[in-house]
Amino acid sequence: DGGITQSPKYLFRKEGQNVTLSCEQNLNHDAMYWYRQDPGQGLRLIYYSQIVNDFQKGDIAEGYSVSREKKESFPLTVTSAQKNPTAFYLCASRWDPGRAEAFFGQGTRLTVV
Amino acid sequence: DQQVKQNSPSLSVQEGRISILNCDYTNSMFDYFLWYKKYPAEGPTFLISISSIKDKNEDGRFTVFLNKSAKHLSLHIVPSQPGDSAVYFCAASDTGNQFYFGTGTSLTVIP
Repeated sequence: DGGITQSPKYLFRKEGQNVTLSCEQNLNHDAMYWYRQDPGQGLRLIYYSQIVNDFQKGDIAEGYSVSREKKESFPLTVTSAQKNPTAFYLCASRWDPGRAEAFFGQGTRLTVV
Repeated sequence: DQQVKQNSPSLSVQEGRISILNCDYTNSMFDYFLWYKKYPAEGPTFLISISSIKDKNEDGRFTVFLNKSAKHLSLHIVPSQPGDSAVYFCAASDTGNQFYFGTGTSLTVIP
């Protein structure tokens, strides 16, 4: 079954700790994305990657870091520099960057206490 | 600055009637538009898309209309069903790789 998998679904961390969210896809998609959803603000782009070993900042990249060492994987690290890390994080992938829909994972709810 | 806007945070419709969800955009370089449906604590699911060379695209009960001169698109759901109750996001893309999402409209279909 092809798809995009995010883990874990729920994550709790103490303030000041870095945390890494996993995103894996077996759709053979080149492009991958990380979004953040907050109430009333829609989906905001954190980072995206078009090919392995390359990624670009989105609108709200501060306090986050990513890597793209393999085509299938695009992990997101939420660092202690991120001021408001509690949010719902969504990973997506897309086959043809120009004209195709993005497929989303089920999301990770991060709560920082 | 929000490049894709959904000005109605919520919409209630009677079962069997038409649901019309609206979306406006500001960037004339956008040439591909999509609608997604989302349930709480889940990822969005793709519904329907339209290229800027078209003004209408239909898929079953879902039709998307694009008015390029007005920079406006709409999603029509006919007939509406209780299972359609969800948050609907419109999104736009230019020739680059980014999607720009609206803030969503919460649709409630009343049985």
